[in-house]
Amino acid sequence: ETVLTQSPATLSLSPGERATLSCRASQSVSSYLAWYQQKPGQAPRLLIYDASNRATGIPARFSGSGSGTDFTLTISSLEPEDFAVYYCQQRSNFITFGQGTRLEI
Amino acid sequence: QITLKESGPTLVKPTQTLTLTCTFSGFSLSTGGVGVGWIRQPPGKALEGLALIYWNDDKRYSPSLRSRLTITKDTSKNQVVLTMTNMDPVDTATYYCAHRKSTSDFDYWGQGTLVTVSS
Repeated sequence: ETVLTQSPATLSLSPGERATLSCRASQSVSSYLAWYQQKPGQAPRLLIYDASNRATGIPARFSGSGSGTDFTLTISSLEPEDFAVYYCQQRSNFITFGQGTRLEI
Repeated sequence: QITLKESGPTLVKPTQTLTLTCTFSGFSLSTGGVGVGWIRQPPGKALEGLALIYWNDDKRYSPSLRSRLTITKDTSKNQVVLTMTNMDPVDTATYYCAHRKSTSDFDYWGQGTLVTVSS
């Protein structure tokens, strides 16, 4: 099983700041890495697929990078609605998710 | 417009079998490349992938839960069914179904259904 480790567990920032979230895989997942945003009581929302492709309707302030085992989600300038939990997910070897990063004010 | 909705019992007893149905619209599971997956999330915890089924009836399961899971599809009814045997309190979670393409990830999700396992 491919284990995804996200860091940090919690990230405290303010609106307008830049957020950098990390996801490390226990083995290479090539570029088969996605990022989701989840708000309380809601289903996850796909932000990024294949490491760097924004999903339909996702604002340009969200960007993804990386390949192999190390990946990054960057939010260039935080909006109030961006404070949520973020998960990475790989589809190279079935499907596994990271444990999440909570982005809080 | 793609929508998915999960249905099934909200409460099951330990050792019972859980059967969940995902009813969807806006796409067909007979279209090449299309799949539906089940993902769960225990309260306050992370997401966990359970099973996937594709348009060609290819099925994939979580290695750790494979022996307890069965996923099937009924293309005519636009439904995907997940069964999980020998339920335990640790299986208490919100269960989601979601749409994906074989070349992408879960782009549409159902609202989720909370299943509690308790005697």
